[in-house]
Amino acid sequence: SYELTQPPSVSVSPGQTASITCSGGELGIRYACWYQQKPGQSPVLVIYQDTKRPSGIPERFSGSKSGNTATLTISGTQAMDEGDYYCQAWDSTTVVVFGGGTKLTVL
Amino acid sequence: QVHLQESGPGLVKPSETLSLTCSVSGDSISRYYWSWIRQPPGKGLEWIAYIYYNGRPNYNPSLKSRVAISLDTSKNRFSLNLSSVTAADTAVYYCARLDVVPPSGYFQYWGQGTLITVSS
Repeated sequence: SYELTQPPSVSVSPGQTASITCSGGELGIRYACWYQQKPGQSPVLVIYQDTKRPSGIPERFSGSKSGNTATLTISGTQAMDEGDYYCQAWDSTTVVVFGGGTKLTVL
Repeated sequence: QVHLQESGPGLVKPSETLSLTCSVSGDSISRYYWSWIRQPPGKGLEWIAYIYYNGRPNYNPSLKSRVAISLDTSKNRFSLNLSSVTAADTAVYYCARLDVVPPSGYFQYWGQGTLITVSS
């Protein structure tokens, strides 16, 4: 089955840049998107189609992709950005797949 | 503004069938794709199924034998049935709108989620 691999945790100091990666076979030819989830809340879409940012998402959130690795970058990270982040894509048979999630800690 | 609201029993006994409904307001379910996603306590997101109003459903292969998703266009809602549940099916269940952009798609609108506990 298709898998998306994320680091379990990432730590960053306030004001610094956080990068969260998502790797998967053939991800280079499929769109990736990213969700932020805070405790007790539903996930929120922060990046779609690799690099696009939905209305209302701060500009400090950006997405990129190189080969089979997609990256979510948070510039000038703030305490409010703490939470779990999930990447998501489709496999070759239109099955939706989520990465395992990355816990972002702002120290 | 699109709003989704899940409703369900809260508690289901092992081996029984879990039935959930998602009521949609602010949009017609005769557009877009509609999906169910779950999250076991303390764990990650797992996609369950999606359906388009005039297409066949698609299921997570790991759940396909136990899952059915359906639409009720007259009430602008969609539903999920999960049969033969076990404790491993205990999770928060979310409904969401799936915006399909081949060769992928994303979930921009989510319900608040409903916790389903499987226990005798």
